[in-house]
Amino acid sequence: DGGITQSPKYLFRKEGQNVTLSCEQNLNHDAMYWYRQDPGQGLRLIYYSQIVNDFQKGDIAEGYSVSREKKESFPLTVTSAQKNPTAFYLCASTGTGELFFGEGSRLTVL
Amino acid sequence: RKEVEQDPGPFNVPEGATVAFNCTYSNSASQSFFWYRQDCRKEPKLLMSVYSSGNEDGRFTAQLNRASQYISLLIRDSKLSDSATYLCVVNNPGNNRKLIWGLGTSLAVNP
Repeated sequence: DGGITQSPKYLFRKEGQNVTLSCEQNLNHDAMYWYRQDPGQGLRLIYYSQIVNDFQKGDIAEGYSVSREKKESFPLTVTSAQKNPTAFYLCASTGTGELFFGEGSRLTVL
Repeated sequence: RKEVEQDPGPFNVPEGATVAFNCTYSNSASQSFFWYRQDCRKEPKLLMSVYSSGNEDGRFTAQLNRASQYISLLIRDSKLSDSATYLCVVNNPGNNRKLIWGLGTSLAVNP
C-alpha cells in the first residue's frame, strides 16, 4: 500500500538535544512538506521541498533543518535552537493537488 | 484580516441533524479549496475538494462563493462518527507551498 510513514510516533527529548524525525513516502510524489501543529493553532509550514536536492524555508523554519537526498525521504531535524519544540509534527506529500499526511510525530521536550 | 477564517465552534448537534460550516478567505486570487477532516490527535485527511460548481459526496456538500469569498460545508443526517475538527484549506496562486490552513471548526455529534 502506498503512503507516508513517519517515525517515531512519540519522542521525548531533553533540552539541548537535537532530534531527527523521519518521513518516507512511496507515492512517487515530488513535493514534500513538514508542518507543525500546536493546540488551538492551525498547521504551520516549517520546510518544503518540491524536488530532490532542493528545499525551501516555510513560515517557521528557525531552529529546524531538513535534507532531501532521495525522492522518498525528507527528514526533519529539530535542533536545540528551537525554543518551543514540543508539538505535533506532520509530514505530507503531494503529486497533483491533494496533500497526503503521515500519522505524525509527537515530540515532547522534558 | 486572517487569510483563512473559520468559526472554531464547537458545534454540538444531535444525531441526524444538518450542520453547516463556513470558511472565509482573503485572497480573491485563490484558486483551489479543500475541506480536510482531523480526528483528535490524528493527521488531517482530505474530505473533499471544493469546485466552482459545488460538489456533493453522499451526505456532504461543498460550495464555493467567489463573490463573497467563502466556502461552505454542509453535513446532512449527522452521525456520531462525524465528530471531528473540519479544516478549511485554500491554495493561493504561485508555488505549491501556498496552502493556507484555517484553524478548524470542531463538531461534536451527540446521541
